[in-house]
Amino acid sequence: DAEITQSPRHKITETGRQVTLACHQTWNHNNMFWYRQDLGHGLRLIHYSYGVQDTNKGEVSDGYSVSRSNTEDLPLTLESAASSQTSVYFCASSESFDGDYNEQFFGPGTRLTVL
Amino acid sequence: KNEVEQSPQNLTAQEGEFITINCSYSVGISALHWLQQHPGGGIVSLFMLSSGKKKHGRLIATINIQEKHSSLHITASHPRDSAVYICAVRTGNQFYFGTGTSLTVIP
Repeated sequence: DAEITQSPRHKITETGRQVTLACHQTWNHNNMFWYRQDLGHGLRLIHYSYGVQDTNKGEVSDGYSVSRSNTEDLPLTLESAASSQTSVYFCASSESFDGDYNEQFFGPGTRLTVL
Repeated sequence: KNEVEQSPQNLTAQEGEFITINCSYSVGISALHWLQQHPGGGIVSLFMLSSGKKKHGRLIATINIQEKHSSLHITASHPRDSAVYICAVRTGNQFYFGTGTSLTVIP
């Protein structure tokens, strides 16, 4: 069965370290997204990609970067982790948009703590 | 101000009750999405709709584009319906999510 996975599921790191969160999907979806979820804010879009070599900034992209070298993977990198980036991170994927908001499939989430 | 507002924030119901969760948005949208987040954190899609009404089992979602409002109804609620329900919209390349409605159904 097709799926979307994230790793690690839990991560504790120190301020200033570089951290990379992995996202891998086997749906063969062109669209992939990274969100963070914090109390009182709901899900907020960090970065998204509509295909290989395509990346775009979302609402809260400062301090994060992504790269898309193949269809299956969209790793999220925190260049220099800050305590404000402590959050739960969700990856999602969907089929190509056609003027509509296609259903998104979400990964299980990664809980990141920055000390 | 959030582009997507949900009400109520928290809801407790007795098993069997009819439940309504509301979502209002302030931007023009292509479609609206209802998501369910389980207590363990996993998020699953319930509905995507751009007009009218959709039904799946005991769940019914409606949308009024002119009023920029959507409702999610649960008939004959059950304790397994306890979860956070999230409303989301897309406008252009921006995605906006409500903060969720936490539902607890008591046996």
